[in-house]
Amino acid sequence: TQLLEQSPQFLSIQEGENLTVYCNSSSVFSSLQWYRQEPGEGPVLLVTVVTGGEVKKLKRLTFQFGDARKDSSLHITAAQPGDTGLYLCAGGLYNFNKFYFGSGTKLNVKP
Amino acid sequence: DTEVTQTPKHLVMGMTNKKSLKCEQHMGHRAMYWYKQKAKKPPELMFVYSYEKLSINESVPSRFSPECPNSSLLNLHLHALQPEDSALYLCASSQAAVGDSSYEQYFGPGTRLTVT
Repeated sequence: TQLLEQSPQFLSIQEGENLTVYCNSSSVFSSLQWYRQEPGEGPVLLVTVVTGGEVKKLKRLTFQFGDARKDSSLHITAAQPGDTGLYLCAGGLYNFNKFYFGSGTKLNVKP
Repeated sequence: DTEVTQTPKHLVMGMTNKKSLKCEQHMGHRAMYWYKQKAKKPPELMFVYSYEKLSINESVPSRFSPECPNSSLLNLHLHALQPEDSALYLCASSQAAVGDSSYEQYFGPGTRLTVT
């Protein structure tokens, strides 16, 4: 059973379009991270959200943590080919050294 | 500095070989992780060390043997691997989870392992 459900699994869009990736769970997380990964490289941490309802912006990327800390979303405005990659969400539980990953979203932005 | 380093970057080994993967971090993190990742899939947790002690083993075959010599170093010893063990092996570190404190993982660049 996947603790974190991530959708969509694949997304192929044109440059300039907007998109949203979702990460949902029935469990409450102490924190939730979003990563981007290039092929053959390690995941790179984009953001950590910790407070219910929190919104963080990173240039054209907007991250939101649900009020109940069970879900999160990543919104990209005016996507660019450089945004292409595998996006992963991961949640950490209280007092437990283990992170649960979503299944990933493979994003392809075409020029 | 949020860097986790891993060596080697690439490794090709035969099924009878013994090799080791190495990971190092200097962020003062007391939790370190090994993951295995197949193409286009999320990382799969293998082992977790907390304060240099093995705290989680996700039923990993004994041909993978982790070691944490000190708080900055993490090794993964490999012996008698199978071709299906070919994957990207990722090391990560984080603060140790305590109470309701939040924490996050930082990943190394990975070792691309090919078993022939």
